Parts: sequence; C-alpha cells; structure tokens
Amino acid sequence: GQNIDQPTEMTATEGAIVQINCTYQTSGFNGLFWYQQHAGEAPTFLSYNVLDGLEEKGRFSSFLSRSKGYSYLLLKELQMKDSASYLCASLIEPGSQGNLIFGKGTKLSVKP
Amino acid sequence: GAVVSQHPSRVICKSGTSVKIECRSLDFQATTMFWYRQFPKQSLMLMATSNEGSKATYEQGVEKDKFLINHASLTLSTLTVTSAHPEDSSFYICSARGGWSGQETQYFGPGTRLLVL
Repeated sequence: GQNIDQPTEMTATEGAIVQINCTYQTSGFNGLFWYQQHAGEAPTFLSYNVLDGLEEKGRFSSFLSRSKGYSYLLLKELQMKDSASYLCASLIEPGSQGNLIFGKGTKLSVKP
Repeated sequence: GAVVSQHPSRVICKSGTSVKIECRSLDFQATTMFWYRQFPKQSLMLMATSNEGSKATYEQGVEKDKFLINHASLTLSTLTVTSAHPEDSSFYICSARGGWSGQETQYFGPGTRLLVL
C-alpha cells in the first residue's frame, strides 16, 4: 500500500528554525513534494526532490533520502506568516500517469 | 512558478442542480490535470486524473457519472458536479502538471468552494 507519515502539529517561535519530517512507503516512487497550505486556501508549491540530498531555496530547504524513505522540510528565520499546514506528497508513476499521494499535513503554529 | 487558475472561486447552488468548475493552466501546457476534493481539516483526496483528449481516470469510490471531467485542450479541464447534493459541499482543487521534461512539477489552482443548499 501507499503510506505517508508526518506529525500532525508543531509549534515554534518566531525567528527560530523548525524541521518537519516525513516518512513514506510508496511504490513507484518518483519524487517528493512539499506544499504549504494556509487555512481556506489551496496548496502552494514549495519544493520537489527527486535525488538524494538537500535543496535550498531561500528560508526553506528540503531534504530527501530515497533509501530511507525519508524527507524533511526545514524552515529558517520563522515568520508569523509561516503558520500553515505543510503537506508532504509522494509522486508516483502508475503507468504514464503521474499521481500525488498526500500525507495528512503538519499544522505549524508560529508564536511570537 | 507556473500559474493555474480556477473559476469560480466560490459557488452556492440548490440541491439537484449542476455546477461546472473550470481549471486553466495559464502559462504552460498541461498534458495531465488532476481534480482533488478537500473536506475541512482533512488532506486532499484525489478524485480523478485527466489527460488531454482522453477519458479521465477516476479514483475508487468516485462516481464518474456524477463528476464529469472534460479535458478539451492542453490548457483547460472542467469538472461538472451533476445533480449536486449537500454532501457534495467541499473545496475542489485542480492541479496541472507541467514544466520541462524531467523537471515537471504539479501546481495547484486556488480552489473552488462549493456549497450545496
């Protein structure tokens, strides 16, 4: 089966660093996405990792280890506006179709 | 990043009527588009995958006669909720896949909030 796990909720302080972990067990794995979703809005793309290693993009970085089925999203210099749900999603390729398997999301609350 | 639009952003309709939602990729050609549904405090659930010019592939438990999907061009897909009922009230989000080959990613539209009375 397909399974993605990430913590349900996390709390961090403004200006701090937070790491959101994601483990996955998906067949036909073809990459790992991170999305940010503010309440009442659609997800917005943050990062896509297909190779092992760390991808840095401004305050956000994403890491992937395919052998361990593990990824994390690292948020630095946290701001209040970073309070949102962060969705980990595995891209799988059944045949010629692409498909995203989503985790349940991690609700991050940034406190002053 | 790539832009995906959805229209309408919000719709209220009476039970028994049909509602059409449009999804457009504005600055890229999307060979594949996806329709998701999200209930409050839950994650996104894939409803169907559509490729331009062919029939959509529906996920298990999604009624294809109720949720009609048309992917008429590389930039437009529509979802029609037929004979809508209150339990169809949800947040519907489309997604389009595009980008350079090998660098493709999936971008979401802003979503359509449907309320069936």
